[in-house]
Amino acid sequence: KAGVTQTPRYLIKTRGQQVTLSCSPISGHRSVSWYQQTPGQGLQFLFEYFSETQRNKGNFPGRFSGRQFSNSRSEMNVSTLELGDSALYLCASSEQGRGTEAFFGQGTRLTVV
Amino acid sequence: GQQLNQSPQSMFIQEGEDVSMNCTSSSIFNTWLWYKQDPGEGPVLLIALYKAGELTSNGRLTAQFGITRKDSFLNISASIPSDVGIYFCAGRSLGGSQGNLIFGKGTKLSVKP
Repeated sequence: KAGVTQTPRYLIKTRGQQVTLSCSPISGHRSVSWYQQTPGQGLQFLFEYFSETQRNKGNFPGRFSGRQFSNSRSEMNVSTLELGDSALYLCASSEQGRGTEAFFGQGTRLTVV
Repeated sequence: GQQLNQSPQSMFIQEGEDVSMNCTSSSIFNTWLWYKQDPGEGPVLLIALYKAGELTSNGRLTAQFGITRKDSFLNISASIPSDVGIYFCAGRSLGGSQGNLIFGKGTKLSVKP
């Protein structure tokens, strides 16, 4: 089985722009969660999607949004980028999200300049 | 909010030594997961624990779900150079956001050959 695939691996954007990141979960997994990882804050939960519906949301501003498609692939969007949004964005997939293992992709390294 | 305290923050050990790290939570968890992350990569799941008192091994790695449900530890026996990396604990609480994993800040392991 292929693992979790995130694209692109690296991205450089200018402050004020917007960005869309993509995540393809493991085949058969219906839950996709997104995390932001920074040296200062560590790994922080952004949101979780299950069957195309947002099931949980972390404490991030509304500039961070996401969606999930019928094939379970997910995208997250960050609008009006700020320097502080520079981070490794990680996507994790699990079969159902509740009480099951979460498997991570390699992440997208976003740099905002 | 919920917090996970992971210790130690870093360890410098000699090849062949055993390693122990732990996580404690301010609230009760129903799932504990242990991950290893190499630079520039996503976390890789090592061990998953679902039941208080559960002791699970994966090769040289052993992890336990604490009886109080507020802690977990990971042991690595006979460390080797490829054990180098950052180890994260992650937990999922009983109530609230079931899909949301809370992460510790990580334990950075360095192994001297």
